[in-house]
Amino acid sequence: GDSVTQMEGPVTLSEEAFLTINCTYTATGYPSLFWYVQYPGEGLQLLLKATKADDKGSNKGFEATYRKETTSFHLEKGSVQVSDSAVYFCALKGSSGSARQLTFGSGTQLTVLP
Amino acid sequence: SAVISQKPSRDICQRGTSLTIQCQVDSQVTMMFWYRQQPGQSLTLIATANQGSEATYESGFVIDKFPISRPNLTFSTLTVSNMSPEDSSIYLCSAGPPLNTGELFFGEGSRLTVL
Repeated sequence: GDSVTQMEGPVTLSEEAFLTINCTYTATGYPSLFWYVQYPGEGLQLLLKATKADDKGSNKGFEATYRKETTSFHLEKGSVQVSDSAVYFCALKGSSGSARQLTFGSGTQLTVLP
Repeated sequence: SAVISQKPSRDICQRGTSLTIQCQVDSQVTMMFWYRQQPGQSLTLIATANQGSEATYESGFVIDKFPISRPNLTFSTLTVSNMSPEDSSIYLCSAGPPLNTGELFFGEGSRLTVL
């Protein structure tokens, strides 16, 4: 079945540092890929997405590129801020008609220190 | 977009009791889902809430344990029945557009602790 493997946390960075959170996946066909973010005390929010190979999703300074050859969708940001402290989830949506659900990774807790 | 309100936001329950979680969406959506997020783990889909009919449950989840209602497009409930400490978890309601593209909106979650 589909699966998502995500970099384990927690990750602690200083403000303005470069961020990478690794995400690899296993799926048949051509899944859609997502990053969701959960800020403290809030529900998950869609951060960015990519629906086909070589697509780059971007939002709020975050980027991730759909790499089919390496089955990866790593999240990057050039300069993190304290307000980016949150839990980040990589997820995929299978391409088959019966794929009702999102498959989530385990989440990575990011803490950014001033 | 959609704003999802869940209640209760948290509760402490006794073993053997049942608790119903309510989910209200501020706009009409077609897809509604219930997820569970156990401590330190990822989200697991419990079921798809279908309007006016029985929910579609994922493997490992059954209606007797997690009865779900969805009387209209904007409201759903999840009941956790005959609770045990293993049911301590965060339960999340989510909703999405008709095409089920994977772009979901989530409530803040209901954190249940079973003693």
